[in-house]
Amino acid sequence: QKEVEQNSGPLSVPEGAIASLNCTYSDRGSQSFFWYRQYSGKSPELIMFIYSNGDKEDGRFTAQLNKASQYVSLLIRDSQPSDSATYLCAVKPGRRALTFGSGTRLQVQP
Amino acid sequence: DADVTQTPRNRITKTGKRIMLECSQTKGHDRMYWYRQDPGLGLRLIYYSFDVKDINKGEISDGYSVSRQAQAKFSLSLESAIPNQTALYFCATSQTGGFTDTQYFGPGTRLTVL
Repeated sequence: QKEVEQNSGPLSVPEGAIASLNCTYSDRGSQSFFWYRQYSGKSPELIMFIYSNGDKEDGRFTAQLNKASQYVSLLIRDSQPSDSATYLCAVKPGRRALTFGSGTRLQVQP
Repeated sequence: DADVTQTPRNRITKTGKRIMLECSQTKGHDRMYWYRQDPGLGLRLIYYSFDVKDINKGEISDGYSVSRQAQAKFSLSLESAIPNQTALYFCATSQTGGFTDTQYFGPGTRLTVL
């Protein structure tokens, strides 16, 4: 079992819709959780992090964490074509370095 | 100027050659990391360093070595490059403290081993 699992996609949504990206993790000791966006050929850039159960909102982005279910999600409201990218979920398992999922490719159709 | 820089940005080399990839940062962070990225496999950790004297292997360290010359510099070496080391390599930094340990990435080095 991979430590961090994501559906590779592509997830295709129409412009203006809500995109929902999901991630599960295996280490129950994980403390903090991150979402990065990566455009093709570019470096990952941080969207947001979360470490408490519940929702955390930042503009059009909402991260949701459920530690009991070992589940993290990212919602993107009013999706734009510029949101088309690969979204990487990352988990911090204790003192060790971040562990990344393989990413979900999002396509927003104009 | 970029906070995390990597040199070279692109490199083509031949099997058996020794290659060094360099990373420098001006963010003042104490932690530095090297990742490789292959299509469909996400980011895989090669080595990480929590300070100058603390270097740790990641999940795919075989065939690689690192040197932390200073807090701001972290180099990755391939002693004898092989074709399956062809990949996109990223350096990242973070700062000790709290839960977050947010990582910031350099622009990447595209390495091709023929």
